This record gives sequence, structure tokens and C-alpha cells, in this order.
Amino acid sequence: ELKVEQNPLFLSMQEGKNYTIYCNYSTTSDRLYWYRQDPGKSLESLFVLLSNGAVKQEGRLMASLDTKARLSTLHITAAVHDLSATYFCAVDPPNTDKLIFGTGTRLQVFP
Amino acid sequence: EPEVTQTPSHQVTQMGQEVILRCVPISNHLYFYWYRQILGQKVEFLVSFYNNEISEKSEIFDDQFSVERPDGSNFTLKIRSTKLEDSAMYFCASSGHSKALEQYFGPGTRLTVT
Repeated sequence: ELKVEQNPLFLSMQEGKNYTIYCNYSTTSDRLYWYRQDPGKSLESLFVLLSNGAVKQEGRLMASLDTKARLSTLHITAAVHDLSATYFCAVDPPNTDKLIFGTGTRLQVFP
Repeated sequence: EPEVTQTPSHQVTQMGQEVILRCVPISNHLYFYWYRQILGQKVEFLVSFYNNEISEKSEIFDDQFSVERPDGSNFTLKIRSTKLEDSAMYFCASSGHSKALEQYFGPGTRLTVT
């Protein structure tokens, strides 16, 4: 069974600090997605990583993909309160259209 | 910007009742999906739908569940006889083509079964 695990599950960090969220998955996949979810809200697409070595940046967030290690990272630079949310990675396994979501990382940024 | 819409935003129903959750996918999209998220947990795939038929479904999607595209715009999820454990947020998503770059998610319907 395909597993997608995120680490940490909960992250409390101070504004201005840097941190990395990790996403490990257990099957081959050339594509990985990062979504943001605010409480009670839907999933907002952040990044689509399409190949090994892909790196994408948007503001204070940078995502990367290593398909050989089956690992993606979401790096937060100089965190601000507005980044507080739950972040999910998701993988689409071969020969399927569905997304398998990770466990989620709940991020809280405090002053 | 085109978006996926869902109605209602919140549905409360009694155990054993039938519910229909409605979605309007993005207009030129061809692939449609339902996911659910039990409070505080991860998002789980239920079913995918293409060309007027189910293309894939999960173990969660048992005989109590059905999907339909009754017209050119709506995509519905029916739960025939709701159970307490069906309480969750249900998200509809759509994508333009198979193995899409992105699935676009609707705002969700919170289903509460009492």
C-alpha cells in the first residue's frame, strides 16, 4: 500500500526563522504536489514538481523533489504569521489519476 | 479565474438518510474526483470519474456511494444511507486531462451525520 508520510506533523516556529518540512513516499512517482489548507477551508495548490531535481520557489516557500530518494522538501524562509496553515504533500501513483495525500504538517508561526 | 464550486457548504442529516452533495467542476475539465477529510485527518481519495463512468474508486467508496454527472455541468456524490462515520468534509476536484498537472479543489461540503 502506498504511504506518504510527512515530518513533522506539527511545527511551531518563531517569525523570522527557517525550517523544512519533509515528505517521504513509498512508491515510484515522478510528480509531487504541495497544498496549503487553512482551517475549515479547501486545498490551495502551492507547487507541482514534475521531475527529479525539480525546485520551485514562491515567496518564502521553496519546494524540491528527489525521486530517487522518494523525498520532497518544503523549505520555509524567514517565516511570517500568514504562513500559519496545514501543508499537505500529495503523490499520484503510476497508472492512476488519484492523489495520495500525506499526513499533513500543521504549521504555527508566532511572533 | 475559473473555480470549482460545491453546494451546500454544510449539510446536517440523520443517520440512515440519503444525501446528495453537488459540485460544479471547471467548465472545460474532463476528469472529476471526490475526496473526503475526516476532521483533523488527511485527505482521502474516494472516486474518479471520466467520460460518464467511474475510472477508479477506493475501498471507502462502497455500495452506499454513487456518483453521477446528470447534465453538462453538475457532478454529484450520493450517499444512500448515511452512517455516523460518514461525517467529514467532502471535496470535489476537477482536472483538465488525465495525469493532470493539477487537480483543482472546491471549497468543500461539511457533512454532519447525527
